[in-house]
Amino acid sequence: DSGVTQTPKHLITATGQRVTLRCSPRSGDLSVYWYQQSLDQGLQFLIQYYNGEERAKGNILERFSAQQFPDLHSELNLSSLELGDSALYFCASSVSREGSPLHFGNGTRLTVT
Amino acid sequence: GENVEQHPSTLSVQEGDSAVIKCTYSDSASNYFPWYKQELGKGPQLIIDIRSNVGEKKDQRIAVTLNKTAKHFSLHITETQPEDSAVYFCAASTGNQGGKLIFGQGTELSVKP
Repeated sequence: DSGVTQTPKHLITATGQRVTLRCSPRSGDLSVYWYQQSLDQGLQFLIQYYNGEERAKGNILERFSAQQFPDLHSELNLSSLELGDSALYFCASSVSREGSPLHFGNGTRLTVT
Repeated sequence: GENVEQHPSTLSVQEGDSAVIKCTYSDSASNYFPWYKQELGKGPQLIIDIRSNVGEKKDQRIAVTLNKTAKHFSLHITETQPEDSAVYFCAASTGNQGGKLIFGQGTELSVKP
């Protein structure tokens, strides 16, 4: 068990809808990362937060947004969902801003119908 | 930006044999190279990592080698066991970009009893 908790485990929703994925990092970790895993794209970095502030941004769509709260949990919001957004979404956490190992949760499987 | 290429995409070995997975990276500023194991239905699990000031690191049956000149690093698993069957990912990061990891496309390792 990595200590990173993601909810929900599964989410099924329709096109055009909006969903929120939640992540609780390991105790003591200040950085949270979001990744998308699909069969054809592999593990793609979306965004990183460190101690409440955005630290780095990857190929995150404008329809997606995230935030990290004072208690360090993070939420990834996906809106105007499309079929192609169906994927596994992983959260990872690490102790520092950079240079320390990332520990992943077990992901949220999103299915858009 | 950083690009990580991983080979082979699938690897099948007999129990007790060795397995080698290779990765190349493009950004010479990369300085941290972890390897992850992902089992079905779970998130990636860190199994070993190496930093750019070290050429080789070993942990029981697992070893990683790094050739900075060639921008190449490899995972070696000796005395493979059926429970080693999983998808393995290499990754690279540069310390000044928030610690985000860029992943290879993954290798599906199958260890046959």
